[in-house]
Amino acid sequence: RKEVEQDPGPFNVPEGATVAFNCTYSNSASQSFFWYRQDCRKEPKLLMSVYSSGNEDGRFTAQLNRASQYISLLIRDSKLSDSATYLCVVNLRTGGFKTIFGAGTRLFVKA
Amino acid sequence: DAGVIQSPRHEVTEMGQEVTLRCKPISGHDYLFWYRQTMMRGLELLIYFNNNVPIDDSGMPEDRFSAKMPNASFSTLKIQPSEPRDSAVYFCASSPRTRSRTDTQYFGPGTRLTVL
Repeated sequence: RKEVEQDPGPFNVPEGATVAFNCTYSNSASQSFFWYRQDCRKEPKLLMSVYSSGNEDGRFTAQLNRASQYISLLIRDSKLSDSATYLCVVNLRTGGFKTIFGAGTRLFVKA
Repeated sequence: DAGVIQSPRHEVTEMGQEVTLRCKPISGHDYLFWYRQTMMRGLELLIYFNNNVPIDDSGMPEDRFSAKMPNASFSTLKIQPSEPRDSAVYFCASSPRTRSRTDTQYFGPGTRLTVL
């Protein structure tokens, strides 16, 4: 079983749609959580951190459920510019510092 | 502020040759990471440094790979000898030392390596 698993996608949605991505992690020592966005042939960039209380940044909402070891990202009112790969990222602090990236979920937003 | 700088952006070499990838982290960042990304395996952490000291190199695939950080503003990833299966995009990332929960990593543009 992979340490971080994501919906593989691709998700094909029309502009204005709401889309949700899910991510599960297997290590209970996971301490911090993020969603990164990666455009085609570009580097990953931080989209938002994920907090236990849930957090929102404009059209984006991230949620964390530690009991179920589950992270989600909700995008409302999708724009063409949201088309990208969304990476779920988990940091473990078990003596050291270990960052694990999910394989990513591809999103295509169409006009 | 300049972000993470990597060079070269593209490298094409022949099997058996030595390849050196370079990275300049964001000034003031204490952590530096080297990643490799392929379609098959996604993004994999190879090694990371804290204050120029290698902390965890368990992701380095084999002895052909080595990484150094001689000072706070420069790191190299070397592959010797290179093989076709090393073809990938290699990213360098840096992160500030922080007491908050948000250990954000800032990625460079990557080096696209092709080994023929």
